Amino acid sequence: DGGITQSPKYLFRKEGQNVTLSCEQNLNHDAMYWYRQDPGQGLRLIYYSQIVNDFQKGDIAEGYSVSREKKESFPLTVTSAQKNPTAFYLCASRPQGDNSPLHFGNGTRLTVT
Amino acid sequence: AQTVTQSQPEMSVQEAETVTLSCTYDTSESDYYLFWYKQPPSRQMILVIRQEAYKQQNATENRFSVNFQKAAKSFSLKISDSQLGDAAMYFCAYRTTYNNNDMRFGAGTRLTVKP
Repeated sequence: DGGITQSPKYLFRKEGQNVTLSCEQNLNHDAMYWYRQDPGQGLRLIYYSQIVNDFQKGDIAEGYSVSREKKESFPLTVTSAQKNPTAFYLCASRPQGDNSPLHFGNGTRLTVT
Repeated sequence: AQTVTQSQPEMSVQEAETVTLSCTYDTSESDYYLFWYKQPPSRQMILVIRQEAYKQQNATENRFSVNFQKAAKSFSLKISDSQLGDAAMYFCAYRTTYNNNDMRFGAGTRLTVKP
């Protein structure tokens, strides 16, 4: 079945360490996104990529980095510069088309202590 | 920047009854897209329904329908014949036609379904 796979489901890191969250899709979608979800808030866009080897900052890109070397993969690195990294992270993709909706993965819960 | 407001942090409904979740948005654009997403305890976001602003007819998907009031910038979701499986967080989202990558989400409404 086609879909978006995020791994791992839960991730624990010590403060000061970088950590990379995986996102893989087999939907053949061009555009991919990373969102952050905090309690009581809507999703906020971190980064997005419309094509391979190109990506753009979203509203809260500081302290994060991404790469898009393959169409299927869009990993997110949470660096030690991110002041409040503990959150739920959602990866999404979208097919071509103006009204096409986002398709989401199951998310990764990151806890930094 | 466009904002999306969901004024009901929590709602509850009796099984088999009808419930309406509210959503308002702020925009100066005339053409855009609106979405409702459901996030069950599994935390995967699932598309419930979508509406194009240029369409006057309200979208419907089985037990889910919307009341789209463009002048009032309102986009409410009605769930009929509520089922236990409808219990989830519901997020309203707005996306401009000028930037397909800029989707704005509301803070969500937690829906509880009572048996």
